[in-house]
Amino acid sequence: DAGVIQSPRHEVTEMGQEVTLRCKPISGHNSLFWYRQTMMRGLELLIYFNNNVPIDDSGMPEDRFSAKMPNASFSTLKIQPSEPRDSAVYFCASTLGLAVYNEQFFGPGTRLTVL
Amino acid sequence: LAKTTQPISMDSYEGQEVNITCSHNNIATNDYITWYQQFPSQGPRFIIQGYKTKVTNEVASLFIPADRKSSTLSLPRVSLSDTAVYYCLVGEDTNAGKSTFGDGTTLTVKP
Repeated sequence: DAGVIQSPRHEVTEMGQEVTLRCKPISGHNSLFWYRQTMMRGLELLIYFNNNVPIDDSGMPEDRFSAKMPNASFSTLKIQPSEPRDSAVYFCASTLGLAVYNEQFFGPGTRLTVL
Repeated sequence: LAKTTQPISMDSYEGQEVNITCSHNNIATNDYITWYQQFPSQGPRFIIQGYKTKVTNEVASLFIPADRKSSTLSLPRVSLSDTAVYYCLVGEDTNAGKSTFGDGTTLTVKP
């Protein structure tokens, strides 16, 4: 398996633009997590899905952020409009089930820069 | 959520054993302890997990005392490639979404 796939790997955009980050989880995994990592705030859980259903989005910072999982093999994280403070590395992780003893497999991340 | 406390940084030399301790005083009965490793420009990677006593795999050992209020990740004979950030997570057995990554420990291995 290719592991968790994220695209794009790097994104540079201007303030006010819409940004869409994409994630393909490992085949067979039914739980997906979106994280954001910055130097100031560390690694933060934004939202997670189980069987394509959002379970907890309390980590989503603002209404400008939205996430979808239309099917088991694809998820998106959208920021509209983007702001410079959204600059961060965004990780997607997948796992088999929500049990904490199931290893989370992380993607390579998307480095977002908002100018 | 159980809060975790780790040293911000540690230094070691190649070939030494490294022990990183994580404090989690308010750990709940159903909580598991998980350690992840993160290299620069990569996502975190699972190292080891345990509930109590000792767990060992090909990479590390995890020691958990009876009161479970702390845990120690042990890396035997570290090499330069073990330089990374190590995170301790504590979370419910049935919901990984309730685990949170703390600040982590930056381990620097020197030649």
